[in-house]
Amino acid sequence: AQKITQTQPGMFVQEKEAVTLDCTYDTSDPSYGLFWYKQPSSGEMIFLIYQGSYDQQNATEGRYSLNFQKARKSANLVISASQLGDSAMYFCAMREAANRLAFGKGNQVVVIP
Amino acid sequence: DAGITQSPRYKITETGRQVTLMCHQTWSHSYMFWYRQDLGHGLRLIYYSAAADITDKGEVPDGYVVSRSKTENFPLTLESATRSQTSVYFCASSARQNTEAFFGQGTRLTVV
Repeated sequence: AQKITQTQPGMFVQEKEAVTLDCTYDTSDPSYGLFWYKQPSSGEMIFLIYQGSYDQQNATEGRYSLNFQKARKSANLVISASQLGDSAMYFCAMREAANRLAFGKGNQVVVIP
Repeated sequence: DAGITQSPRYKITETGRQVTLMCHQTWSHSYMFWYRQDLGHGLRLIYYSAAADITDKGEVPDGYVVSRSKTENFPLTLESATRSQTSVYFCASSARQNTEAFFGQGTRLTVV
């Protein structure tokens, strides 16, 4: 069963604007972790940000922040001040206590000047 | 070099042949993973391992075999390759449950 849902179609965002990428998840495990990865056209997987299920505050890493809404099982990625280099595929992932790391299908972002 | 490396980077094989994709990490991470990436499907987990000699099935394990006799190596074998196994394969490792996974560069496998 799909546990990570990313349903937005490809997105175009103006340079310097903020963009929000949606991610919802499904788990009955009280302990889990949520991750976002970036995959540029070159193909490598780049870790961006992590949120633990018990973390009280939303995670931030530079221009990346995670809008964690536990009750809604939502973990949206916000990229502030978009740059051309942010054009990529973005994947949301969840790690449960069983140690699986499962990914969503990804969101395509294109930053236009 | 430190890190996680996959070999080969590119492989073309014929239907029915056995092929092994290699993954090696130098961090002594406990956890290792194999994924396949196909257009429209994102990354799908094939197998994962919590430690040496401990492996478990992921979402799409059929047609694949793994082993983990040493912590640093996690080879993936396609026992009898099929065209549907044409894909990009990623290996990853992580130290603990609440830390990020580091990915190899990927192996592009084509089955003809």
